[in-house]
Amino acid sequence: SQQGEEDPQALSIQEGENATMNCSYKTSINNLQWYRQNSGRGLVHLILIRSNEREKHSGRLRVTLDTSKKSSSLLITASRAADTASYFCATDTGRRALTFGSGTRLQVQP
Amino acid sequence: KAGVTQTPRYLIKTRGQQVTLSCSPISGHRSVSWYQQTPGQGLQFLFEYFSETQRNKGNFPGRFSGRQFSNSRSEMNVSTLELGDSALYLCASSYTTGGEGTQYFGPGTRLLVL
Repeated sequence: SQQGEEDPQALSIQEGENATMNCSYKTSINNLQWYRQNSGRGLVHLILIRSNEREKHSGRLRVTLDTSKKSSSLLITASRAADTASYFCATDTGRRALTFGSGTRLQVQP
Repeated sequence: KAGVTQTPRYLIKTRGQQVTLSCSPISGHRSVSWYQQTPGQGLQFLFEYFSETQRNKGNFPGRFSGRQFSNSRSEMNVSTLELGDSALYLCASSYTTGGEGTQYFGPGTRLLVL
C-alpha cells in the first residue's frame, strides 16, 4: 500500500500562478523527498527535507514538513509551462527503501 | 558525470517468457534500487542492492529477482511473464543505501507483455 497520498490528484493552473500540492503519510519518517516525472519518464529529484526540518527552499520550490500532522507540502511559485509534470512525494521510513505517494498531475497552461 | 542508464528502453514479450533488464548507476554509487510503475499500483519498490548484496526486497513474487555486479551495474530478471507485469521499470542509484539520500533515476524500461 502507498505510504504517501498526494492531494490533489490533478491540478491545472495558468502560467505565473503558484501551485501547491500536499502529501500525507502514515508512519514516522527519517526524511521526505519530492520528485518530478515528465510523461512516464524517469523521476527527477527536487528536494529532500529531513524529519527535524520544517521548511526548505530551492529556487522556486518551497517545501514544508509537519511531522505532528504527518504531512508535507510542495509550493512551486511563478509556475511555467515546463513545470507540467507529475509530482511525487517519497518517504524514507528507515527500511532502506523509498515509499512513493500516488502523485499529483500538474498542468500549467501557457 | 553520466547519469543512470537503463537498457533496453522498450521491450515487448509474450506471456511465459522471461526478461532481463539492465541498469548502470552513476559512477561511484554503490546502491541500486528497482521500482515498478503501473497506472493502477503506482510506484512500487522491488529491491535494493548495495555492494552486490540485496539489502531489501519489496512485496513481489519470487519471479522477480535481481543481482548486482562488482562494478555496481545491476540486472533484474522476471521469469514466466504475466500480462500484469507490463509496466515501466525504473532503477535508481544513490551513494548511500536507498532512502537515506537522493536517488537518481534512469529513464526506465517500458515492458509490454502480450
